[in-house]
Amino acid sequence: DAMVIQNPRYQVTQFGKPVTLSCSQTLNHNVMYWYQQKSSQAPKLLFHYYDKDFNNEADTPDNFQSRRPNTSFCFLDIRSPGLGDAAMYLCATSREGSFTDTQYFGPGTRLTVL
Amino acid sequence: QQQVKQSPQSLIVQKGGISIINCAYENTAFDYFPWYQQFPGKGPALLIAIRPDVSEKKEGRFTISFNKSAKQFSLHIMDSQPGDSATYFCAAKVSGSARQLTFGSGTQLTVLP
Repeated sequence: DAMVIQNPRYQVTQFGKPVTLSCSQTLNHNVMYWYQQKSSQAPKLLFHYYDKDFNNEADTPDNFQSRRPNTSFCFLDIRSPGLGDAAMYLCATSREGSFTDTQYFGPGTRLTVL
Repeated sequence: QQQVKQSPQSLIVQKGGISIINCAYENTAFDYFPWYQQFPGKGPALLIAIRPDVSEKKEGRFTISFNKSAKQFSLHIMDSQPGDSATYFCAAKVSGSARQLTFGSGTQLTVLP
């Protein structure tokens, strides 16, 4: 069964046209993360939600925003995508306070910017 | 220092051989060390993880060796198979807090048939 679901799997947008990526989870985890991964690189954390508390990484551009309307869903908004924002966007979840600290990743959304 | 250094960048192994990937860290506060396997176009999947209270953990053909004094840990893949061909990331984290995983740079493993 799918645990972390991302939609769409592939997204094509035009330079400067806002785009929203979605993530949902069936694990009831209290933490949700958004990562950006470019080709042949490690995932780079953009921000995370600990319950409803939003935590932005210091070097995440203002162009990237996130919303978490409830425990199960989290959205990544890219307000004005540039060519450099083309990447795989990964959502992950974890249950902080658990023994394993495991982060579970979704399949990712491949974003293309034309 | 939050960095996790991973080597080699790429690795080619014959089918049936042993694949070894190494990682080193600086931050002594790290106490959770997972390895992730990522196939092209997919998200990373947890492969195996270890905490520093043990020196080795084995799950099937995958073994993590951990050397706390040297601040190093490694992944051994025994009897490597073509289906193991993927990118492997080591990572480290301070457990008990919603803090990010610090990833290594990744190793592209190719297992030749």
